[in-house]
Order: sequence, then structure tokens, then C-alpha cells
Amino acid sequence: DVKVTQSSRYLVKRTGEKVFLECVQDMDHENMFWYRQDPGLGLRLIYFSYDVKMKEKGDIPEGYSVSREKKERFSLILESASTNQTSMYLCASSSPGLAAIETQYFGPGTRLLVL
Amino acid sequence: ILNVEQSPQSLHVQEGDSTNFTCSFPSSNFYALHWYRWETAKSPEALFVMTLNGDEKKKGRISATLNTKEGYSYLYIKGSQPEDSATYLCAFGRYSGYALNFGKGTSLLVTP
Repeated sequence: DVKVTQSSRYLVKRTGEKVFLECVQDMDHENMFWYRQDPGLGLRLIYFSYDVKMKEKGDIPEGYSVSREKKERFSLILESASTNQTSMYLCASSSPGLAAIETQYFGPGTRLLVL
Repeated sequence: ILNVEQSPQSLHVQEGDSTNFTCSFPSSNFYALHWYRWETAKSPEALFVMTLNGDEKKKGRISATLNTKEGYSYLYIKGSQPEDSATYLCAFGRYSGYALNFGKGTSLLVTP
């Protein structure tokens, strides 16, 4: 079974803090993704990575950066957390190939509250 | 951002009822259509991926159909059970795209 884990289920941070969200997958997947999910909105892609050290902006990258130093780990970084980044963050991974067709395997999510 | 619409937004049915929901997506540059189920406090879980017009997929009591020419997919649940309560997400994969565009989901509640 594919397993995608995220470092925290719940996180509370203060405005201006630097926040790291970690994601680890154990299936040797090339593709990894970070999404956020807000009430009334679909999952929105923040960043994705198709290989180590490679990254591409998604639909809403502003205020975020990512790091992929190892194949199994994809980190989302909030350089200076703001209240509008309060959200549920989901990580996913998929096999190599077109992300359009490959099934994505999701982690359980991190609910982040920025005060 | 490509528009993927799901309807209804939410649904409340009784155990044993059959139900269906709709996903609408752009018909141009279509590559794949995915359905996921997201139960509360769990990870979204893949149900189906469909790529061909007319595709039908089935998993137990859940089935899905695809019409790429008109840009819609239906998800059917036969004889709903309380454990089917979840949010059902559809996601559109565009040819040459790296990622999926998700709809807002249909939230299903099945009560005994």
C-alpha cells in the first residue's frame, strides 16, 4: 500500500513565523504535490515536483516555497505565515508519467491555523 | 485555472437509496477524469480514472460514466450505506498538463 505521511495533523502558528510542512511517501514516486483546501473551494494546487530538486508553480504559489532534496520528501514552506494561509494542506504523490492520468495518493492533511 | 463543476454541492439520502452526482469539465484538451472519495479525518482515496469517451467503471456499488464530447461524468451509488458518507471529488486532467484540476466536491450524507 502506498503511504503518504505528513508531519503534523494540526498546527498553530503566529503571523510572521516561518512554517515547514513535511511530506514523505514510501512508494518511490517521482511526482509530488502540495494542495490547500478551503471551505467552498476545491483542492487548489500550490506547487508540484516531478523529480528531486525540480519544482513547478501551481495555481496559487504566492507566499509559499517548496523543497525537494530527496525523492521521498517534499516540504512546503511558508516564509512568513499570514492569517489568510489558515487552511487544510494536503500532500500527494504519483507515479512517473503524465500527472493528468496517474492516480494521486494523498496524505491525511495538516490543518494549519495562523493567529 | 480550468473550471470543474460538481453538483449537487451536498446530498442527504436514506440508507438504501440510490443516488448520483455530476461532474462537468472542459471538453477540449481532455486527457483523464478522476473520481476520489474523501471521508472525514481520512486521506482522499482514488475511486476511478477514466480516459475514453463512453468509459464506464464499477467498484462494488459505485459506478461512473464518462462523456468527453459534452464534458461530463456521472457517479452512481446503488443502495447507499452510511459508510458511503463522504465528499466525492472529481478531477480533470488536461493533455500535456502536469497536474489535476479538482472540483469543489459533492458532500454525501447517508443516514440509517
